[in-house]
Amino acid sequence: EVQLVESGGGLVQPGGSLRLSCVGSGFTFNKDWMHWVRQAPGKGPLWVARIKADSSTTAYADSVKGRFTISRDNAKNTLYLQMSSLTADDTAVYYCVRSITATPDKWGQGTLVTVSS
Amino acid sequence: DIQMTQSPSTLSASVGDRITITCRASQNITVWLAWYQQKPGKAPKVLIYKTSSLEKGVPSRFSGNGSGTEFTLTISSLQPDDFATYYCQQYNIYWTFGQGTKVEI
Repeated sequence: EVQLVESGGGLVQPGGSLRLSCVGSGFTFNKDWMHWVRQAPGKGPLWVARIKADSSTTAYADSVKGRFTISRDNAKNTLYLQMSSLTADDTAVYYCVRSITATPDKWGQGTLVTVSS
Repeated sequence: DIQMTQSPSTLSASVGDRITITCRASQNITVWLAWYQQKPGKAPKVLIYKTSSLEKGVPSRFSGNGSGTEFTLTISSLQPDDFATYYCQQYNIYWTFGQGTKVEI
């Protein structure tokens, strides 16, 4: 069974940093594109970033460009999202998502990030 | 950026009703559209991909149609488990989601 398990969320002060992790299992992690998607309370999902299977290509939403970095360690079946210069607008549940080429497939259960003083 | 506009925002219906949700893209996305169902506190669940392909395990009362910029999700006979929020998503260029349609009693 394909599983994605996020961790690393929590309460962080404005201007702070946080690193999220997502461990994949039940599939060949090093063959698939991976994404981060976030969802603010009461809002629709918002795509954040994506990374190619071999890490050769990354892309970011304009709202996080220059502040967030997506990376992966295929030996550990783990996807990361390094977040810095956080603001209240970054408060959301963050999901990791597998895609088969571009087609969305499996979502994790999410990890909550709250930016507040 | 491609914008996705769903309508209606809220839909009141009863068990057994046939309902249709519409999603409009701001530019041509050919067939690269997915539909999701989300319940409170849960991750979105893929129902349909590539406009009309049903995800494994999704009941056949769900169907998708469209191409280019106009797309629909239809539930042929609404069941109690179907009361939820539905989102469309384009994946032609990056990913963009609609704002959601809440299906309520």
